[in-house]
This record gives sequence, structure tokens and C-alpha cells, in this order.
Amino acid sequence: QQQVKQSPQSLIVQKGGISIINCAYENTAFDYFPWYQQFPGKGPALLIAIRPDVSEKKEGRFTISFNKSAKQFSLHIMDSQPGDSATYFCAASIQGAQKLVFGQGTRLTINP
Amino acid sequence: EPEVTQTPSHQVTQMGQEVILRCVPISNHLYFYWYRQILGQKVEFLVSFYNNEISEKSEIFDDQFSVERPDGSNFTLKIRSTKLEDSAMYFCASSPISGGANSPLHFGNGTRLTVT
Repeated sequence: QQQVKQSPQSLIVQKGGISIINCAYENTAFDYFPWYQQFPGKGPALLIAIRPDVSEKKEGRFTISFNKSAKQFSLHIMDSQPGDSATYFCAASIQGAQKLVFGQGTRLTINP
Repeated sequence: EPEVTQTPSHQVTQMGQEVILRCVPISNHLYFYWYRQILGQKVEFLVSFYNNEISEKSEIFDDQFSVERPDGSNFTLKIRSTKLEDSAMYFCASSPISGGANSPLHFGNGTRLTVT
């Protein structure tokens, strides 16, 4: 019940296209859902995050869509660029708890 | 921008040896964490540390593991007797207060531990 399931494992998108990565969870006590971006040789870096009281959050080209009833959330990258090529992790936590539960990661490749 | 620094970047050790992984969290942060990532797999929580004691740990964090804040700046992870399955990337992280929407985690670049 502590799992966060992420798909797809890998994704190839053409430059300028939309990249979509999906995550699902089971634990309804989760109330914080961040997305992390990881480049090779680096640690994960917070990209964008959402609380379940909103259905969408947008920051620049990055949007999180959140469906509380379905217990799903997704990351949309608009106008994808080669510099967006990285591994993306969704995660979840319970407010006040220390640990983040990560999804399995999606390796995104943007072809020029 | 302040960052979490980890040393060494890569450590090779023989099975059964003790290793200490070192981290310098961001200076005004109060919560410290260790996560690990086995090659090609997801990032997994190991332990969180606050006010000089462990505040939460996972089932992975057994008696072979220990953490310490030996001075005002360093935060260490010790593995007493390494096993082959301990080979992974170990990430240190810190946050100003308990992790969540108001206190995102800042990760270091990791230490790649290879146990032979």
C-alpha cells in the first residue's frame, strides 16, 4: 500500500512534442506528490509538486494533473526540448512524515 | 545556491569491510536523510535524522547500518560489514523542516558504492 507505480519505464518524444508520465498510488493518506528530475551522475532535483486539494498545477512547460478519485497523477512536459532528457521520478509522502516513496522512474529521451 | 555535498563520489570496497559515506547538508537545514538507488531501480528511503537521533527508518536500514552527525556540519552513513547487495548509489538529502509541501528535499549528487 506504500507503493507508487510509474509508467512508462522509458519514453521517446520528438522535440516540440508533449511528454506524459503517469503515476498511481494506493495509500489515501498520501497528501504531497512531487516530481523529481535526475540527470546522469546527479541527485534527484525537485521539479514541481502538488497537493491533492487542486487538480492541476502548472510551472512553465511543466504541468501536474491530479485525479484524487482515481488515485492517479501525471506529469506533462509541453514543447519538450532535448535538455529535458533525463530520468523522472514521481513520489508521494504523508504530510509531516519524513520519507518519500518514489516511483520506478521514467527515462525520457527527447530527439532533436 | 547552497547544495548538499557528498564524498567520495565513488567508493569500492570488499565484501565484509566497513564503509563510511559522508555528507555535508545545507547549513540551515534541520532534517537529514539517506536514500539509496540500486542501478536501474527506484530511489528508496533508508533513514531520516533530526535533533541527533533517528526519526524514521525503513526495513532496509538494519543493524548493519548506522548514522551519525559527528559535528555541526557532517552527516555520515556507516555500513558495518558490506554485502554485495549493498552496491548502489547512496544519496544524502536535507530539508529545512520535516519533508513535505513546505519543505522540499535537497539531494546531493550521491556516492556510488561498489562492493566486490
